[in-house]
Amino acid sequence: EVQLVQSGAEVKKPGESLKISCQGSGYTFTTYWIGWVRQMPGKGPEWMGIIYPGDSDTRYNPSFQGQVTLSADKSISTAFLQWSSLKASDTAMYYCARPGSSLSSFDFWGQGTLVTVSS
Amino acid sequence: QSALTQPASVSASPGQSITISCIGTSSDVGSYNLVSWYQQHPGKAPKLMIYEGSKRPSGISNRFSASKSGNTASLTISGLQPEDEADYYCCSYAGSNTYVFGTGTKVTVL
Repeated sequence: EVQLVQSGAEVKKPGESLKISCQGSGYTFTTYWIGWVRQMPGKGPEWMGIIYPGDSDTRYNPSFQGQVTLSADKSISTAFLQWSSLKASDTAMYYCARPGSSLSSFDFWGQGTLVTVSS
Repeated sequence: QSALTQPASVSASPGQSITISCIGTSSDVGSYNLVSWYQQHPGKAPKLMIYEGSKRPSGISNRFSASKSGNTASLTISGLQPEDEADYYCCSYAGSNTYVFGTGTKVTVL
């Protein structure tokens, strides 16, 4: 059974750094892309970017390029989303999601990580 | 990348049918038959309902169907049931392993 398990909720102050995680299981982690999706309170999902853990090939939504960094550690089947300097506007639920082999859709989703940035 | 345009809300009585539109551009919806649709209940992660334009994953009711014409994709829910009340989002592949989501539609079962 494919599972994506995300790290727990975080409360941070503006300017702080953060790295959240998404551990995949039930499939060969290195052969499927993993995407990240932001959902701000009361809003729709926004595709942030996607990474191929096999070789760390990464694509970003231009709106998020330079604002976040995607990475992956094959040895622990885990993908990461990180910020170097959080803003209040980063407050949102963040989901990791795995496309199928055709890349046409996000077939499996993590449970979400709520990030709250407040002074 | 601009979000795909969906109606903010749609409502109907149980048993009726509804159709949700998803308007994109020639760079996303119009270029690829790779639109997917997601159902999201409050506090839950999105759930895949339709992939590759019109295919249903295993376990998804055949009351859910989808199609595409030009730059517009559509999701139809027939025989509306109370448990269908949720937010629905379309998503299109946009080339080079990039994606764009829709603005979302709140479906209310009256």
